[in-house]
Amino acid sequence: TQLLEQSPQFLSIQEGENLTVYCNSSSVFSSLQWYRQEPGEGPVLLVTVVTGGEVKKLKRLTFQFGDARKDSSLHITAAQPGDTGLYLCAGVGNAGNMLTFGGGTRLMVKP
Amino acid sequence: DSGVTQTPKHLITATGQRVTLRCSPRSGDLSVYWYQQSLDQGLQFLIQYYNGEERAKGNILERFSAQQFPDLHSELNLSSLELGDSALYFCASSLGPGRVYTEAFFGQGTRLTVV
Repeated sequence: TQLLEQSPQFLSIQEGENLTVYCNSSSVFSSLQWYRQEPGEGPVLLVTVVTGGEVKKLKRLTFQFGDARKDSSLHITAAQPGDTGLYLCAGVGNAGNMLTFGGGTRLMVKP
Repeated sequence: DSGVTQTPKHLITATGQRVTLRCSPRSGDLSVYWYQQSLDQGLQFLIQYYNGEERAKGNILERFSAQQFPDLHSELNLSSLELGDSALYFCASSLGPGRVYTEAFFGQGTRLTVV
């Protein structure tokens, strides 16, 4: 079983601060995705990273896939209250396209 | 709107009962996935269907079963319900299997409460 561990589990910061969320595994994934989930809604895909060492930017969000394709990070610059939500990483195994989700990081950005 | 429709949105039932959750995938998507999310937890993969056939199985209990019909909608059947089965159940759909995962679109979920 491929497991993904996210840290931290909870994060409460002030508007304007920077933060990084980590997603780690002992397994190699063919690709890794980051989702954001708001209360009462399903997760919404933010980004997919495929190549080891890949860095993708989405406005104030920077996603990185580790060189060995076992870990990833999400960095948010100058966080805003609208960034509040549950951030989930999900890995795609080499055997197919079953998504394995991490436990999530619940982010709260206070104005 | 993701294009994935799940019904019902809310379900309250008693222990020992059986319920059926329904999912209609996005138009054109052949794969359907079912996930369980307990309070403030990540998503646990239950099962995947592709074009009517079971494709992958996760930690799905024997009391749970699913199927995908010729029109590609899917149903998740939960029987002999226990209090611990209370959770959000999400359905997601994607185009289909491939070497690189295609984007999965999630429905809004069914909140099941077992009392």
